[in-house]
Amino acid sequence: QSALTQPASVSGSPGQSITISCTGTRSDVGVFNYVSWYQHHPGETPKVIIYDVSQRPSGVSNRFSGSKSGNTASLTISGLQAEDEADYYCCSYAGTNSWVFGGGTKLTVL
Amino acid sequence: QVHLQESGPGLVKPSETLSLTCDVSGYSISNGYYWAWIRQAPGKGLEWLGTFYRDGGPYYNASLKSRLTLSADMPKNQLSLSLNSVTTADTALYFCARIWFGDSRYFDYWGQGTLVTVSS
Repeated sequence: QSALTQPASVSGSPGQSITISCTGTRSDVGVFNYVSWYQHHPGETPKVIIYDVSQRPSGVSNRFSGSKSGNTASLTISGLQAEDEADYYCCSYAGTNSWVFGGGTKLTVL
Repeated sequence: QVHLQESGPGLVKPSETLSLTCDVSGYSISNGYYWAWIRQAPGKGLEWLGTFYRDGGPYYNASLKSRLTLSADMPKNQLSLSLNSVTTADTALYFCARIWFGDSRYFDYWGQGTLVTVSS
């Protein structure tokens, strides 16, 4: 059960859009539509921003969107804001009550 | 609102056993749901450790299965983690989280985490 692959860092200017990729395998991302994304400001509780590949929980800005193609899921943040600067983690259900996370991506808003 | 709060010793010596608890409020764990433990080593990503479920399991990450025990104290509404034979590689921020498990599956509530350092 290897970790999902994410870029270590991404950056963008306010108002721009960025996309974070999350690559897994045919045993996790490729087979289950249970990919979720978490925003983590260090010192705070992680917050789910996308679940089931592309669903947004109530209260999460529609600037956050998710998608999946094959073994790779993606998180897009449009209209970047300073408050979006955080660590972002993808996660996939991997069957038999097991889960696998990504290595995390640090988003810097320039 | 569901609230989770982890607590632990902070510092554990190599080869000893790490014990953590997670106090849950706003929901009775005896009513169900799946409850997970997740950790983040310094400079690393998140790692799912295992899941406690009232009616089955626990379910463990295969890499830790021989060292990890998850349990719960229903009257106290508290989850517990025990990890034996720890090494410096077990130094991490440890989280507990609730899993929404049904037609949708994701971690909907998290604690803030408790930092554990393994050092002599």
